[in-house]
Amino acid sequence: SQQGEEDPQALSIQEGENATMNCSYKTSINNLQWYRQNSGRGLVHLILIRSNEREKHSGRLRVTLDTSKKSSSLLITASRAADTASYFCATQHRISSGSARQLTFGSGTQLTVLP
Amino acid sequence: EAQVTQNPRYLITVTGKKLTVTCSQNMNHEYMSWYRQDPGLGLRQIYYSMNVEVTDKGDVPEGYKVSRKEKRNFPLILESPSPNQTSLYFCASTFRQGVNTEAFFGQGTRLTVV
Repeated sequence: SQQGEEDPQALSIQEGENATMNCSYKTSINNLQWYRQNSGRGLVHLILIRSNEREKHSGRLRVTLDTSKKSSSLLITASRAADTASYFCATQHRISSGSARQLTFGSGTQLTVLP
Repeated sequence: EAQVTQNPRYLITVTGKKLTVTCSQNMNHEYMSWYRQDPGLGLRQIYYSMNVEVTDKGDVPEGYKVSRKEKRNFPLILESPSPNQTSLYFCASTFRQGVNTEAFFGQGTRLTVV
């Protein structure tokens, strides 16, 4: 079952501009993570934000989490052509058996940064 | 170098011919899982394993089998592949499920079943 849904599905910006991607989810979470995927390659972890955190920074990345609205945003500042990739949010939540926390991915945002 | 290694990277096979995709991690991670990625559907979990000899179904387990005889290896088995299993497959590992840690992904296996 898909938990996170990214918005927009595709985003095209000029180099140097900021890129904002949003993620909404349905059930309570333990944490929310953002991953990047270059075309046809494996996913690379970018940042993790816990359910009791509201904002987190890592280099040019800024992530916010609003648990009351069940949403998160990823901001990439001063974008570069090399940032062109798909970006996925993933939520970690306890599954019904209680024995494991599954990582559930959305369908991603395709970001294109034009030089 | 810490990594998750999948093999093969590309595979074309015929319907019904059993195949195995291997996955190995060198980080001593307890938790491993398999995902398939299809356009517009994101990544969906097929099976996961919390530790050696402990495996369980994910969201889309039909048509797949897994085993976890050793901590480092988690092969994905398709006993009788069908065209609807044509997809991009990823293996992932995490230090331990139940803590706030990231997942490490392999480079993917692009499978085509004709």
